Amino acid sequence: EPEVTQTPSHQVTQMGQEVILRCVPISNHLYFYWYRQILGQKVEFLVSFYNNEISEKSEIFDDQFSVERPDGSNFTLKIRSTKLEDSAMYFCASSGAAFYEQYFGPGTRLTVT
Amino acid sequence: DQQVKQNSPSLSVQEGRISILNCDYTNSMFDYFLWYKKYPAEGPTFLISISSIKDKNEDGRFTVFLNKSAKHLSLHIVPSQPGDSAVYFCAASETGGGNKLTFGTGTQLKVEL
Repeated sequence: EPEVTQTPSHQVTQMGQEVILRCVPISNHLYFYWYRQILGQKVEFLVSFYNNEISEKSEIFDDQFSVERPDGSNFTLKIRSTKLEDSAMYFCASSGAAFYEQYFGPGTRLTVT
Repeated sequence: DQQVKQNSPSLSVQEGRISILNCDYTNSMFDYFLWYKKYPAEGPTFLISISSIKDKNEDGRFTVFLNKSAKHLSLHIVPSQPGDSAVYFCAASETGGGNKLTFGTGTQLKVEL
């Protein structure tokens, strides 16, 4: 069964450093998303991406965040200068024709020290 | 911002019995609702969805009921199995919102032998 994959599973970085989280969505999906879950809190939407552009973003997704689909398979989330409060589990998701039905990857745990 | 609420943080059910998980929402613009299951250290797994034009959707042991007038939905699992023990999240989306999912806080289901 096709699945969304994410790398790395755990990333530790120092405050102020740039990080890139990588995702490989399900191959025939056209819609791509990033969510995050801070420990003990809800899963929160960050951004949706379709046809090589952002279709929606939350207020969390400020100028420090960017997304890219550099080739036909990868989807990345970059945080330019990490803050302590960026520590969270980051989930990538994708959807196809049934675009509301989003399939999530296993997540990347980001720890900012 | 509590547009999607799951008021029961936990639920314990005996194997073979029915599990009923509840979810309330406040945003009348939501038109698509989903249930996800999540195990620790994994991403949310899509279970079942329902459009706002329906009041019931069934898939095997899982049935979702939607009461639009009450802004309430529920997930029924029959019969419950020990492998169903996980956190269950309700999520909602509205047309034109970039497919953004708004999640509830989750209900921890424990199915006991």
